[in-house]
Amino acid sequence: AQKITQTQPGMFVQEKEAVTLDCTYDTSDQSYGLFWYKQPSSGEMIFLIYQGSYDEQNATEGRYSLNFQKARKSANLVISASQLGDSAMYFCAMREPISSGSARQLTFGSGTQLTVLP
Amino acid sequence: AAGVIQSPRHLIKEKRETATLKCYPIPRHDTVYWYQQGPGQDPQFLISFYEKMQSDKGSIPDRFSAQQFSDYHSELNMSSLELGDSALYFCASSLQGGLREQYFGPGTRLTVT
Repeated sequence: AQKITQTQPGMFVQEKEAVTLDCTYDTSDQSYGLFWYKQPSSGEMIFLIYQGSYDEQNATEGRYSLNFQKARKSANLVISASQLGDSAMYFCAMREPISSGSARQLTFGSGTQLTVLP
Repeated sequence: AAGVIQSPRHLIKEKRETATLKCYPIPRHDTVYWYQQGPGQDPQFLISFYEKMQSDKGSIPDRFSAQQFSDYHSELNMSSLELGDSALYFCASSLQGGLREQYFGPGTRLTVT
């Protein structure tokens, strides 16, 4: 079963507008972490924002915020005031704990290609 | 701040050759993860190490092996390379016990011809 689902293969947004990238997840763990990464055409994987399953408030990092709805198992990324440099692939990912004390690897969604239009 | 270092950044090999990718985690990070990202795909987990022991294993082919050394750097060894091994290989590191803060290196782009 798909653990992370990103239903928008591509999105367009006008410069200076806000955009929401969707992400839903599936886990039976109570404790987990949710991440968003940005991957520009150059290929590096840039960490944007993190949300812990027990965090009561939605995470924010500058222009990025995470709309976390635990009951619906969704973790949408909101980018405010889009900039041309925001054009990139965006991946939602989840990390679950394992009993040994170390954390599992990240499981990624299929990504959303965001294009910011001038 | 120090980041994850990967070398080489680009590598071109022929079919059936071998390749070794290196990863130097962030200082004091004790866990290393390797991911493979094929063209147009999301990163897929290969293998991870915690305190120099293999921690978890994903979709790593038998032709690949990896290890973590005493200084915590890790190497991914790939033998009998195939065209389908052409991909971006990421290494990431983190601290034990936490669910957050997994930092990625810049990746090694492997091209098999």
